[in-house]
Formats: sequence, structure tokens, C-alpha cells
Amino acid sequence: NAGVTQTPKFRILKIGQSMTLQCTQDMNHNYMYWYRQDPGMGLKLIYYSVGAGITDKGEVPNGYNVSRSTTEDFPLRLELAAPSQTSVYFCASTLFGAEQFFGPGTRLTVL
Amino acid sequence: AQSVAQPEDQVNVAEGNPLTVKCTYSVSGNPYLFWYVQYPNRGLQFLLKYITGDNLVKGSYGFEAEFNKSQTSFHLKKPSALVSDSALYFCAGGNNNDMRFGAGTRLTVKP
Repeated sequence: NAGVTQTPKFRILKIGQSMTLQCTQDMNHNYMYWYRQDPGMGLKLIYYSVGAGITDKGEVPNGYNVSRSTTEDFPLRLELAAPSQTSVYFCASTLFGAEQFFGPGTRLTVL
Repeated sequence: AQSVAQPEDQVNVAEGNPLTVKCTYSVSGNPYLFWYVQYPNRGLQFLLKYITGDNLVKGSYGFEAEFNKSQTSFHLKKPSALVSDSALYFCAGGNNNDMRFGAGTRLTVKP
């Protein structure tokens, strides 16, 4: 099992550009999450999904969108990048009531 | 709103001494509580969890945590610290639809 994979590992965007962060899991987990990690702030939940076709907002959803067309994939879309979106982004997945499995992260810089 | 707090940004211990990393929670209902560890440039890795049952939970790498309902705490402990335990530790609590993470505690174990 590859677990949770994320691409790209690093990205630099200009203000106003858009991009999609990819996340794939091969563990047949129904729950998937997107977090951002800022220094000294822990992880903040952006969006989550309880299964294919179902998504919901987390704590900090503004400026982001997600979709979940399959169990395996949960891409995160940034439409108009802003400097405040400079962060490290983690995707995670789990079964109900279990620990989360995290991807290696995407380091995004918006200049 | 649910929340998890880690009151110490940094914990320093000498190798071989016991370590404690503190966590308190404010979670509705019966909490799911977790500890994760993060090494540099990596995603979070699961250490242990409390869902129900014994208040003392044993996890990976010799770590354990004690659930204390009256004090709403879930402190992480290890009887004898190793230099290799140096990392960033996160407490998390909530449920599958709303998992909150603490800001993290950097543990440094000195030889």
C-alpha cells in the first residue's frame, strides 16, 4: 500500500493564479480531509469528505474548493491564490473512529 | 466550539528521564483523543488513541497517555526519553466530522 500520496511536493504561485493539490489514498478509507499547517498554529481543517460525492466545510474553507468523485481521490482547488494561503497542506484519510493517515504534505508559497 | 490545547510550546528533557507532554480538551460528548508525532518535512504519524475503555492507553515507541475525564486532560508520557524522540507532537480530539488539533509541542531530548 502506498497509503496517502500528495502531489506536488512544492509549488510557488503568483497572486491570482490557480492550482489543484492532488491527494490519493489506496486504503479504501471513506473519510478524507484537507488541513493547512501554519507555524505555531497546529493543523486547521479546510474541507472534509465522508464518502464519494459528499463534502463539507471545515474551520477555514474560504478560498478553497474540493470534490470527491471517487473513494480514492480528494483534490483541493485554489482558485485565486493569495499570500495568506502560503502554508503546508496535508491530506489525510481514515475509517470511522480510527486514527488518520497523513500524506507527506505540499509546501505552497504565494508571492 | 470544540478545542484542544497544548499549554507548552517546548519541552526539554534529558535522555533517560521521564517525559510528559500536556494536552487538555474541550470536546462534546464522548471524545476521541489522539496523539501524533511529526518529524521534519514529514506528515503526522499516529502514536496512540483513546476511544473508550482503560484510561491508560499504550501506543507506539513506548509512549502512553492517560485519559482524565475530570481534568479533561490527555497527557502523553514516556518513562525514559530517547534522543530520537525529539520531534513535534500534536494532540487531537473530536470526532470524524470535527477533529481539532492542538498547536503542537516541540520535544527536545538532550543526550
